[in-house]
Amino acid sequence: DTEVTQTPKHLVMGMTNKKSLKCEQHMGHRAMYWYKQKAKKPPELMFVYSYEKLSINESVPSRFSPECPNSSLLNLHLHALQPEDSALYLCASSRGTSGEYNEQFFGPGTRLTVL
Amino acid sequence: QKEVEQNSGPLSVPEGAIASLNCTYSDRGSQSFFWYRQYSGKSPELIMSIYSNGDKEDGRFTAQLNKASQYVSLLIRDSQPSDSATYLCAVNMWGGGYNKLIFGAGTRLAVHP
Repeated sequence: DTEVTQTPKHLVMGMTNKKSLKCEQHMGHRAMYWYKQKAKKPPELMFVYSYEKLSINESVPSRFSPECPNSSLLNLHLHALQPEDSALYLCASSRGTSGEYNEQFFGPGTRLTVL
Repeated sequence: QKEVEQNSGPLSVPEGAIASLNCTYSDRGSQSFFWYRQYSGKSPELIMSIYSNGDKEDGRFTAQLNKASQYVSLLIRDSQPSDSATYLCAVNMWGGGYNKLIFGAGTRLAVHP
């Protein structure tokens, strides 16, 4: 299985809602990532989990809260988002975080719209 | 500031031609380099990884790496309209105590029949 799955595919939420994005991989990878991508821009790193521990938080606002329940699952909890948070949210995984182990495979993404 | 630079394009090539996509990077210590293809509205798809100087071929794709010149390129032979996409160059860089992929802005490729 060489696939990263993400649910939901699309999400529309109001600024007062709480929602979660989910990501799953069964490649035995030990690093998982959340990226945010705006139209016509490259992916922008948000969080990195390595061996189920948060290793990188790229100064992301606290309205985004990541969680890694186990080595195959990654969640992103959303609360009190702003319209400017509307974007494609991408999950990725890799064997590790350095050198060729940082070969990252992306899921299909969740298209988020904040009203 | 660690950077990866790409020409944003669009790069327009006729069907059957060779498309040449280029990328330069600022961190001389980088060791791992990746090319991703991204269709409009879709997620990035890894198409090539390269770690050593020289050429690496996979089907119609050839990645070329020159660490001395801090330059990596992707050649697409016999370009097809289905190759029309944005190609992202990504470089593994060390900074702030950890490794992370730094993406270029992407080059948009248009292959016309």
